[in-house]
Amino acid sequence: SQTIHQWPATLVQPVGSPLSLECTVEGTSNPNLYWYRQAAGRGLQLLFYSVGIGQISSEVPQNLSASRPQDRQFILSSKKLLLSDSGFYLCAWSVLAMYKNIQYFGAGTRLSVL
Amino acid sequence: SQQGEEDPQALSIQEGENATMNCSYKTSINNLQWYRQNSGRGLVHLILIRSNEREKHSGRLRVTLDTSKKSSSLLITASRAADTASYFCAGGAANAGGTSYGKLTFGQGTILTVHP
Repeated sequence: SQTIHQWPATLVQPVGSPLSLECTVEGTSNPNLYWYRQAAGRGLQLLFYSVGIGQISSEVPQNLSASRPQDRQFILSSKKLLLSDSGFYLCAWSVLAMYKNIQYFGAGTRLSVL
Repeated sequence: SQQGEEDPQALSIQEGENATMNCSYKTSINNLQWYRQNSGRGLVHLILIRSNEREKHSGRLRVTLDTSKKSSSLLITASRAADTASYFCAGGAANAGGTSYGKLTFGQGTILTVHP
């Protein structure tokens, strides 16, 4: 069966420090991968998506970047965190089949930038 | 931009009652999905309804879709305290197999509280 791992669960970082959040998927090949950010009590904002190794599309301009060094690994990074980067970050994967684009989510990372 | 807009933003009911949440969307979709999120956790897929379907059932869940009004509703029957969570609708783009790359556009969610 497919599983998705996302870590760490919580992270407290000072302003100006770097960031690296990792997401890995098991049990499937060539998934589409997604990074979302969720502000408190709000919906999900798509930050990045990837359809293959090294292929990254950014949805919104921001202080973050993403990379996909391996088929089932998706990394969210920042060189210098801002206060506004605080939030709940979710990784998700999907495999398109018969126009079904169901997404499967990790447990999320709560990032607090102080 | 967020495509789906849920209504109400918050819903508080007693155990055993039915809970109805509504969602409106703006652009053409291939399917409409509902997800559930427990506090501080990831989202879990509940049900998908295709654009050529009008109603779908799964256990205590009933979803309707009206493409002419660009709206959907999620009904949870005989609610339980364990149903307490946030519920999100998400629109799958009309060309899900093409350049949309399976992207979903999520609404702001409805917070459901079921009191025992």
